[in-house]
Amino acid sequence: GNSVTQMEGPVTLSEEAFLTINCTYTATGYPSLFWYVQYPGEGLQLLLKATKADDKGSNKGFEATYRKETTSFHLEKGSVQVSDSAVYFCALLNSGNTPLVFGKGTRLSVIA
Amino acid sequence: GAGVSQSPRYKVAKRGQDVALRCDPISGHVSLFWYQQALGQGPEFLTYFQNEAQLDKSGLPSDRFFAERPEGSVSTLKIQRTQQEDSAVYLCASSLVLAGGPWETQYFGPGTRLLVL
Repeated sequence: GNSVTQMEGPVTLSEEAFLTINCTYTATGYPSLFWYVQYPGEGLQLLLKATKADDKGSNKGFEATYRKETTSFHLEKGSVQVSDSAVYFCALLNSGNTPLVFGKGTRLSVIA
Repeated sequence: GAGVSQSPRYKVAKRGQDVALRCDPISGHVSLFWYQQALGQGPEFLTYFQNEAQLDKSGLPSDRFFAERPEGSVSTLKIQRTQQEDSAVYLCASSLVLAGGPWETQYFGPGTRLLVL
């Protein structure tokens, strides 16, 4: 079946630190991969996506590269800000009429 | 433009009560999904509509859960005889194209937080 595994949180970083949140997946076929972010008190927002192997999704300084050989889609940011504090969800969408499959989420706290 | 909206934002119900949760998708979006998000967990799929047709309801946890989208736009998720384990955030998402396209993006509403006492 389809599943997503992401690193356990919470992750606490100082402002301007480098961020990596690991995400690996299991899927049949060739899924599209997503990172969603949930800020405190708000709904899920799409952060970035990649639809095929070796694609790099990027937005707001965040990046993730679709690695088919390692079935991974790790989220990175070179210099985090306090405003990046949120819960980050890795997700996949397989071909056909299927819903998103989410990881459990990783809570990031950035301190000044 | 307007995003996905959900109402109510918060709902407190006594065990055994029926509740109805509403979702207004983005205008023109064909696909509509309902997800359940337990505390500290990722969203989990409940059911999926393509226009007014409910194509997949495999994620509904019991026959107390029922969803409809009669005119292919607004959707309602109904939970009968609520139980404490139904307490969660219920998320609605919509997307423009038919599910399965690699370019598909699901846009989420703010969710309805249900607490069953």
